[in-house]
Parts: sequence; structure tokens; C-alpha cells
Amino acid sequence: GQNIDQPTEMTATEGAIVQINCTYQTSGFNGLFWYQQHAGEAPTFLSYNVLDGLEEKGRFSSFLSRSKGYSYLLLKELQMKDSASYLCAVSRGSTLGRLYFGRGTQLTVWP
Amino acid sequence: GAGVSQSPSNKVTEKGKDVELRCDPISGHTALYWYRQRLGQGLEFLIYFQGNSAPDKSGLPSDRFSAERTGESVSTLTIQRTQQEDSAVYLCASSFDQNAYEQYFGPGTRLTVT
Repeated sequence: GQNIDQPTEMTATEGAIVQINCTYQTSGFNGLFWYQQHAGEAPTFLSYNVLDGLEEKGRFSSFLSRSKGYSYLLLKELQMKDSASYLCAVSRGSTLGRLYFGRGTQLTVWP
Repeated sequence: GAGVSQSPSNKVTEKGKDVELRCDPISGHTALYWYRQRLGQGLEFLIYFQGNSAPDKSGLPSDRFSAERTGESVSTLTIQRTQQEDSAVYLCASSFDQNAYEQYFGPGTRLTVT
């Protein structure tokens, strides 16, 4: 099976930087994904990493270390609207489609 | 264009009854996925369809669960003889194909089994 661990909750203030960590153990790894899910809404795609290193996309960046089974999502210049659950997921095998999700990290941004 | 749609948005049913949940994927997307999200839990993969290939049913929790897809369009997830532990939000997602890294999720169907 897959073990995907991420903190349950985090808090931060507007304008700050927050790093959400995710560790995983899986065979046949072929990708690490981050999704954002606002309360009562559908998850939306944030990032995909398959190679080691940092992928930057605006205020959000995602990092992957395959050898350590570790990823993080970095959110800069936090805004109130960033309050949401952040879901770490991995894919394995021959396709990217079947995702295994962690329980999500609920981020609360305070003014 | 329209996103992924699901119906009904909410369903309350009595234990032992059968339910059918519907998903309309984004037009042109050949891959379609079903996930379940129980309260306080992560999304749990159930099944996925890719074009005309045999579906990957390996995530279905029991033989009470089944799903069908008509060509590359609508999919239905059927739960027979519902149990209270089936209560969850059932999410459908679609992607261009099984190797596209972005999945587009629908709003989900909240199922409550009383």
C-alpha cells in the first residue's frame, strides 16, 4: 500500500510564508501532486512533480526529493483566500491517473 | 466550457437500499475517475475508466460497488444494499487521458445512509 503523511492542521498570518510537508512510501512511484480543496468544494490541481527539485508557479512552489520520499508545498505572500485543505497525492505504476491521497492539511490564514 | 458535473448533489437513503450516482465528465476527456471522501479521511480511489479499455476496479471496497461508463461520456456509480459506512462524498474527476497530470473534479455527491 501507500503511506502518505502530512500534518493535519497549520495556521499562518496574511503575508507570511508557509511550508506544508508530505512524506510518502510507495513502490513504482511516478509522480507527486498537490491539490487545493476549499471547504465544500471540489479539489483543484496545484502542481505536479516527477523529477527532484523545485517547481515554481507564482506564489506557490512545490519541491520533490524522490530518494527521501519527501515533498513540500510552499505558499508565499499568504492571503485569506488561501485558507483551505491542501492534499498531497502520489501516482504509481504505468499511468498518472490513479492517485493515492493523504488526509490533507487544513491551512488557516489569519489577518 | 462546462466542467465535470455530478448528480444528485445530495442523497439520503435508508440502509439496505440501492443508490446510483451520476457523473458527466468534461467533453473530450477519455479518462474518468471515481473517489470517495469520508469525513476526516483522504480521498480514496475507487475505479477509473480509460477510453474503451477495461476499467481499473481495484479500488472498489466490496462487490456492492459497481460502475459503468457509456463510451467516453457519462458514468454511473452504483452502490447496492447501502450500509452506514458508505456515507461519504463521492467525487468524480476526468482528465484528457490517463497520462494527463491534471484531473478536474466535480462538486461531488454527498451520500448519507441512515
